[in-house]
Amino acid sequence: EMQLADSGGGLVKPGGSLTLSCEGSGFTFTNAWMSWVRQAPGKGLEWVGRIKTKNEGETTDFAAPVKGRFTISRDDSRNTVHLQMNSLKTEDTAMYYCTTETPFMWFFDLWGRGTLVTVSS
Amino acid sequence: SYELTQPPSVSVSPGQTASITCSGDKLGDQFVCWYQQKPGQSPVLVIYRDSKRPSGIPERFSGSNSGNTATLTISGTQAMDEADYYCQMWDSSTALYVFGTGTRVTVL
Repeated sequence: EMQLADSGGGLVKPGGSLTLSCEGSGFTFTNAWMSWVRQAPGKGLEWVGRIKTKNEGETTDFAAPVKGRFTISRDDSRNTVHLQMNSLKTEDTAMYYCTTETPFMWFFDLWGRGTLVTVSS
Repeated sequence: SYELTQPPSVSVSPGQTASITCSGDKLGDQFVCWYQQKPGQSPVLVIYRDSKRPSGIPERFSGSNSGNTATLTISGTQAMDEADYYCQMWDSSTALYVFGTGTRVTVL
């Protein structure tokens, strides 16, 4: 069974940092683009960023609100992707979902359960 | 930035057809997909590439996309279809992903 297990959420103060992780299983992790999508409480879905495969140079792209503050990395030996979040703001408070994409299909076909990040003093 | 607009809510009687629209400039020129999200759960892909259904998604879910509007249609709506639905596309001009504003479907 294909699964994504996201983890690492918690309470952090404004200006602080947090790293989320996501471990994939049941599919060929090395062939998948990995994205993070977030959802603020009671709000809609917002794409955060994506990392392509090693063969594509592990290229990353980010949405404007997080560009320059968030980074994504992957460790294919552990089937894991990480979202490093720096200079956190209260508006970053959200459930963060790890997702997979088949390259060049432009949709998210598998989602994790999500991990909650709360930015508050 | 590119925007996708959905009606906030749609109500439908059991067994009837629900249509959820997603509007954006020249949206028909891009592929659109749809996600279903039930309360407290992660989103689930129900339509991709405008009209294709992933394995396991019931046939009552269908999609179309033309002009400035994409539509998700639920035929013979069931109580279990009550959820939030989001459209999504990839904006090739900015290389970024865009989600619609979301529509809550209520089965009365």
